[in-house]
Amino acid sequence: KAGVTQTPRYLIKTRGQQVTLSCSPISGHRSVSWYQQTPGQGLQFLFEYFSETQRNKGNFPGRFSGRQFSNSRSEMNVSTLELGDSALYLCASSRTGQGIDEQYFGPGTRLTVT
Amino acid sequence: GNSVTQMEGPVTLSEEAFLTINCTYTATGYPSLFWYVQYPGEGLQLLLKATKADDKGSNKGFEATYRKETTSFHLEKGSVQVSDSAVYFCALTGQGAQKLVFGQGTRLTINP
Repeated sequence: KAGVTQTPRYLIKTRGQQVTLSCSPISGHRSVSWYQQTPGQGLQFLFEYFSETQRNKGNFPGRFSGRQFSNSRSEMNVSTLELGDSALYLCASSRTGQGIDEQYFGPGTRLTVT
Repeated sequence: GNSVTQMEGPVTLSEEAFLTINCTYTATGYPSLFWYVQYPGEGLQLLLKATKADDKGSNKGFEATYRKETTSFHLEKGSVQVSDSAVYFCALTGQGAQKLVFGQGTRLTINP
């Protein structure tokens, strides 16, 4: 069974630009969550989607948004990029989206903002 | 809110040494507890989990027991290998929620 895939793996953008990251969950998984990983703040929850609906949202500004499609694939978008948005963005999927359910992570997208 | 505290790293051990990485948590209700491992340049891999008090999660020689009385979920391994070198994250999810709250991570280096 294929794992969680994320594209692109690496991205370099300039301040003020916007970026879209993509995540394909494991087949049959309906929940997709996004996390930001930085050396200073560690791993922080961005948002979670289940059956195309955002169920939970972390403490990030409105520049961070996402969506989920009917095939459970998800995208996240960051508008008006800032230097502080440089991070590893991780996507995770789970079958049921329940708290006890295991989340499987993709390899991440490394975003560098210059 | 929910939070996780891990022992500060980095931790350096010799091969075949005993490993303990401490993890304590603060949460309302009955969280589920997880240990994830991150190898260089990769995403996170689930190492083990426990979903209720006194449960013991185990995998690849690693173990952790959900202790509600001490709000702890310490990771242990009896004999570490060089291949165990990685960053280890303790995490929890609150009841019914999929959101993972992570500790700050502990970098482990095993020397041959």
